[in-house]
Amino acid sequence: EDQVTQSPEALRLQEGESSSLNCSYTVSGLRGLFWYRQDPGKGPEFLFTLYSAGEEKEKERLKATLTKKESFLHITAPKPEDSATYLCAVRSYNNNDMRFGAGTRLTVKP
Amino acid sequence: DSGVTQTPKHLITATGQRVTLRCSPRSGDLSVYWYQQSLDQGLQFLIQYYNGEERAKGNILERFSAQQFPDLHSELNLSSLELGDSALYFCASSDAGEQYFGPGTRLTVT
Repeated sequence: EDQVTQSPEALRLQEGESSSLNCSYTVSGLRGLFWYRQDPGKGPEFLFTLYSAGEEKEKERLKATLTKKESFLHITAPKPEDSATYLCAVRSYNNNDMRFGAGTRLTVKP
Repeated sequence: DSGVTQTPKHLITATGQRVTLRCSPRSGDLSVYWYQQSLDQGLQFLIQYYNGEERAKGNILERFSAQQFPDLHSELNLSSLELGDSALYFCASSDAGEQYFGPGTRLTVT
């Protein structure tokens, strides 16, 4: 069964303090790994899709990387507006649905 | 704005009642997905429709049902509501890859 584990559950950073969020996955035939950002009470907002090990994608202060077992979301010099829950999800060739992790709740203090 | 719309935004109802949540996908997307998100659980996949046909089923209760109409909008029907059904319900749509989420319907069962 596909599984996604995100760590840490919560992360508090000072503004400008770079860090990484981890997403470990177990899937039979990765079709895609997805990162989303979710603000409280809102729908998840799509950030990145990664398809194969070694792939990297960047957007502003965020950079996502992928290996055969995990993905990292690196946040460089974060700002308070980056505070949100970051969700990781995987899709396999065996299933049509996406399996989501529980998320990492990021708080960036000014 | 993801282009996915959901109505209503909020719904308050009593136990035992039945409600219908509505979703309009992004223009051109044939797939619609329904998710439930409660405080103690992450995003739980309920069901997927593709061009009017059920494509995948997740942890959807027998009291819940969905359909997708010829104009591609979808409805999620929740019946015999229980207190534990209180949650955020999200609809997402996709063409082939990443899913784009709507703003959600917050259901409160009293």
